Amino acid sequence: EDQVTQSPEALRLQEGESSSLNCSYTVSGLRGLFWYRQDPGKGPEFLFTLYSAGEEKEKERLKATLTKKESFLHITAPKPEDSATYLCAVQRGSNYKLTFGKGTLLTVNP
Amino acid sequence: GAVVSQHPSWVICKSGTSVKIECRSLDFQATTMFWYRQFPKQSLMLMATSNEGSKATYEQGVEKDKFLINHASLTLSTLTVTSAHPEDSSFYICSAPALTRGGEQYFGPGTRLTVT
Repeated sequence: EDQVTQSPEALRLQEGESSSLNCSYTVSGLRGLFWYRQDPGKGPEFLFTLYSAGEEKEKERLKATLTKKESFLHITAPKPEDSATYLCAVQRGSNYKLTFGKGTLLTVNP
Repeated sequence: GAVVSQHPSWVICKSGTSVKIECRSLDFQATTMFWYRQFPKQSLMLMATSNEGSKATYEQGVEKDKFLINHASLTLSTLTVTSAHPEDSSFYICSAPALTRGGEQYFGPGTRLTVT
């Protein structure tokens, strides 16, 4: 059974204080690992897809990396508007199903 | 990114009635769509896979007669909650993989269902 574990469950940062969120996974035949951002009362917003170990992708203050066992979402000099729940999900095989972790609630204080 | 819409964004219904939620892919075709539900402060739970031109497949523990799914076209899937009860109150979200974009999966904005 696919398993996705995110840590920490919640993270409070001061504006400008860089940090990383972790997503560890157990899945046979990983097709892709996805990162999403979700604001309260809204659907998840797509951030990144990573397909193979060693891959890295960046978008503004966010950088996602992938190893064979885990993925990190690095947040550099965060701003209050980066406050959200960040979700990690894995996809196995060709059926496009996603298995989600429980998410990390990030709060960035001004 | 690709756009997925949902309608309505929120709905209140009385216990025993049925509610239909629409999910549309606006700028790409989707032969497959997914339906999730999310309870407060919890992650997304996959309910079912909607397949264009064939029956939906349901995850274990999801009542297929209660949550009817119809994938009417390559851009539209509907979820009907039949004989709704207060315990069906939740946030329902659909998603669709954009096959022309490497299968990246995009989510709708969600539908808040409240059953009174």
